[in-house]
Amino acid sequence: DTEVTQTPKHLVMGMTNKKSLKCEQHMGHRAMYWYKQKAKKPPELMFVYSYEKLSINESVPSRFSPECPNSSLLNLHLHALQPEDSALYLCASSQHPLAGEYEQFFGPGTRLTVL
Amino acid sequence: DAKTTQPNSMESNEEEPVHLPCNHSTISGTDYIHWYRQLPSQGPEYVIHGLTSNVNNRMASLAIAEDRKSSTLILHRATLRDAAVYYCILITGANSKLTFGKGITLSVRP
Repeated sequence: DTEVTQTPKHLVMGMTNKKSLKCEQHMGHRAMYWYKQKAKKPPELMFVYSYEKLSINESVPSRFSPECPNSSLLNLHLHALQPEDSALYLCASSQHPLAGEYEQFFGPGTRLTVL
Repeated sequence: DAKTTQPNSMESNEEEPVHLPCNHSTISGTDYIHWYRQLPSQGPEYVIHGLTSNVNNRMASLAIAEDRKSSTLILHRATLRDAAVYYCILITGANSKLTFGKGITLSVRP
């Protein structure tokens, strides 16, 4: 199984809502990542988890709260988002967190719309 | 992070080879050269990566210049499905952060 799955595929939420994005991989990878991609722009790294611990936070606002409950699962909790947070949220994983010799596997993304 | 430079776009014909260039003149000795592509409405997909030697896999070949200041992704026979944005990214051995540039948009003509 070389797949990263993400749920939901699409999400529409209001600015006062609380929602969560879910990402799962069963490849035994020890690094997991969240990226944000605005329309017609390249993906931008948000968070890196290394062995289930947050190792990189790219100065992301606190209304985005990541969580890694176990080595296969990564969540992104959303609260009090703004319309400009509407984007494609991508999850990825790789075998080892601090090694350029390993590729990253991406999920299909969650398309988020904030009203 | 070391930077890469790619043309904005390239066109090719179906079933012909495609050579996608990437310049990375500030590459360091521990930087790996990664290529990813992103088809419309999909997440990025790993294509190939290498350090110093040329690499081949089922999707493509990666030709790395001897001084490592440039590389070329080679698609041997382009198909319509290869139309995508291709990203050339440098990753150091001590940090697996992917910093995406603008990439090159490949169009494939039938």
